[in-house]
Amino acid sequence: ELKVEQNPLFLSMQEGKNYTIYCNYSTTSDRLYWYRQDPGKSLESLFVLLSNGAVKQEGRLMASLDTKARLSTLHITAAVHDLSATYFCAVISTGNQFYFGTGTSLTVIP
Amino acid sequence: ETGVTQSPTHLIKTRGQQVTLRCSSQSGHNTVSWYQQALGQGPQFIFQYYREEENGRGNFPPRFSGLQFPNYSSELNVNALELDDSALYLCASSSTGPETQYFGPGTRLLVL
Repeated sequence: ELKVEQNPLFLSMQEGKNYTIYCNYSTTSDRLYWYRQDPGKSLESLFVLLSNGAVKQEGRLMASLDTKARLSTLHITAAVHDLSATYFCAVISTGNQFYFGTGTSLTVIP
Repeated sequence: ETGVTQSPTHLIKTRGQQVTLRCSSQSGHNTVSWYQQALGQGPQFIFQYYREEENGRGNFPPRFSGLQFPNYSSELNVNALELDDSALYLCASSSTGPETQYFGPGTRLLVL
């Protein structure tokens, strides 16, 4: 069974600081997704990464994918309070099964 | 363009009962996936429907079943409810290909 691990699970950071969330997965997958979830809410799509070396940026968030290392990163630049949320990565395996990581709960402190 | 909608928003059932959850996909999307998200965990893939056929299934028992209708809306049925079925049930729609999924607001199910 494909496993998706994120670290850290919990992250508390000060406003203005930079940090990276890591997503490792255990078997080959050519697509990786990042989502954001606010407390009590549904999931919001952030990025879709479709190939090795893909990099996408939106505002203070940048995601990258290394399919050889089976690793994706979500980099946060100059964090602001509005980025506080839980972030999930997800991969799709053969058979169209989606596997989500356990999530990284991010709290940005003023 | 309307987004993904789900009904009901909240539901309370007792053990052994059956439940049907509904999802209307986003306009133009022909694929619907269902997920179970327990408190504090990531979503777990239940199954996916593409053009009314099951197109992938996660590790859920057969008492979790689904349907997709010609208008691409979908239902998730759970029979013989167990306490551990208490969770947020999310549906997501997408179009063909690797594009992202768009999630509905979810149905929060409590089994007593």
